[in-house]
Amino acid sequence: QLQLQESGPGLMKPSETLSLTCAVFGASISSSDYWAWIRQPPGMGLEWIATMYSSGRTYYSPSLRSRVTISADTSRNQFSLKLTSVTAADTALYYCAKHEYGVGLRYWGPGTLVTVSS
Amino acid sequence: DIQMTQSPSTLSASVGDRVTITCRASQSINSWLAWYQHKPGRAPNLLIYKASSLESGVPSRFSGSESGTEFTLTITSLQPDDSATYYCQHYNNYPWTFGQGTKVEI
Repeated sequence: QLQLQESGPGLMKPSETLSLTCAVFGASISSSDYWAWIRQPPGMGLEWIATMYSSGRTYYSPSLRSRVTISADTSRNQFSLKLTSVTAADTALYYCAKHEYGVGLRYWGPGTLVTVSS
Repeated sequence: DIQMTQSPSTLSASVGDRVTITCRASQSINSWLAWYQHKPGRAPNLLIYKASSLESGVPSRFSGSESGTEFTLTITSLQPDDSATYYCQHYNNYPWTFGQGTKVEI
């Protein structure tokens, strides 16, 4: 059974760089699938951030493209998200997920809350 | 970018009711649409993919349909456990986008 688990800093200050990691259990991130990050600000809906194909090709939300990077660490079977220059608007519950071609976001982590506050 | 317009934002219904939620895409998405159920404190759960395919393990009272660029999630015989927020999402091309969500109150 595939499982994903996010980890992150919890509390951050404005202008810092957010680093999140998603550990994958039960599947190899080198397989032919897509790995994604999605967030949900408090009281708001879901927002897609980025997707990475196993080949290394990456796709980003236009609104975040200038600040975000998604990457893989195959030796640890995990993938990561970096978001630079965070502000209070980046406060959200961050989810990692696996997208299967033709299906959608089939597997999700439980989410990790990131709060940006001075 | 493709926009997904979801309605209503909230709906109240009773146990046993039939409810429908609609998503309209701003252009063709070739049926590449998924529906998710999201409960507070839990990860979203995939219900329907490719507009009308039921995900394994999801109760058969959930169904999806499409007509052109309009997509519908139907819950027949609403159950107490169905209280949640529901989102549509297209994955036709990038950027992927979600609908605004529909909160179902029972």
